[in-house]
Amino acid sequence: GPKVLQIPSHQIIDMGQMVTLNCDPVSNHLYFYWYKQILGQQMEFLVNFYNGKVMEKSKLFKDQFSVERPDGSYFTLKIQPTALEDSAVYFCASSPYTANTEVFFGKGTRLTVV
Amino acid sequence: AQKVTQTQTSISVVEKTTVTMDCVYETRDSSYFLFWYKQTASGEIVFLIRQDSYKKENATVGHYSLNFQKPKSSIGLIITATQIEDSAVYFCAMRANTEGADRLTFGKGTQLIIQP
Repeated sequence: GPKVLQIPSHQIIDMGQMVTLNCDPVSNHLYFYWYKQILGQQMEFLVNFYNGKVMEKSKLFKDQFSVERPDGSYFTLKIQPTALEDSAVYFCASSPYTANTEVFFGKGTRLTVV
Repeated sequence: AQKVTQTQTSISVVEKTTVTMDCVYETRDSSYFLFWYKQTASGEIVFLIRQDSYKKENATVGHYSLNFQKPKSSIGLIITATQIEDSAVYFCAMRANTEGADRLTFGKGTQLIIQP
């Protein structure tokens, strides 16, 4: 099936530092998402992004979080500054349209804040 | 708000048998879409099958099928002829047409263990 690529697969960072998670969505998809999964738990929606703008964000999407996709390149999630509770696996996802189409996920980036 | 509930934490079955995983959902929308994903041991999340709320026929893809009972807000996943490689965590998810339209709401997952 369609592939969403995430780089890196694992990142360790000192608390308070900035981190950028990169995602290469499926090429013809228009909607992009970030989800957060704490070890062994359900996935929780963070944010969605369409046409260069954040369309919707959850309570988990703190002020320290930001997303962008400059010039159709990587879709990024930036956390600045990081906190211990940001340690989780972050999944990028994309879909061609909203609601009635499947969402395809990347393999995730495991973020460890120490 | 939308809610998805999977009450089975873990299920263990013998290979080549049929297993059913339960999922109930809550939404105020009249139109919505239901999905099942599996998360492999490596963490990869794989789309399996979907059911559109306006369709009466249960969806079937390969050895996956759904038991959609709309009056009960229930969407069970049935896997027939299970194989060892079906061992994974299975997530039920919902996406509505208007209420929180562009997010998937996930259940907590059911771990499926297929034994030889």
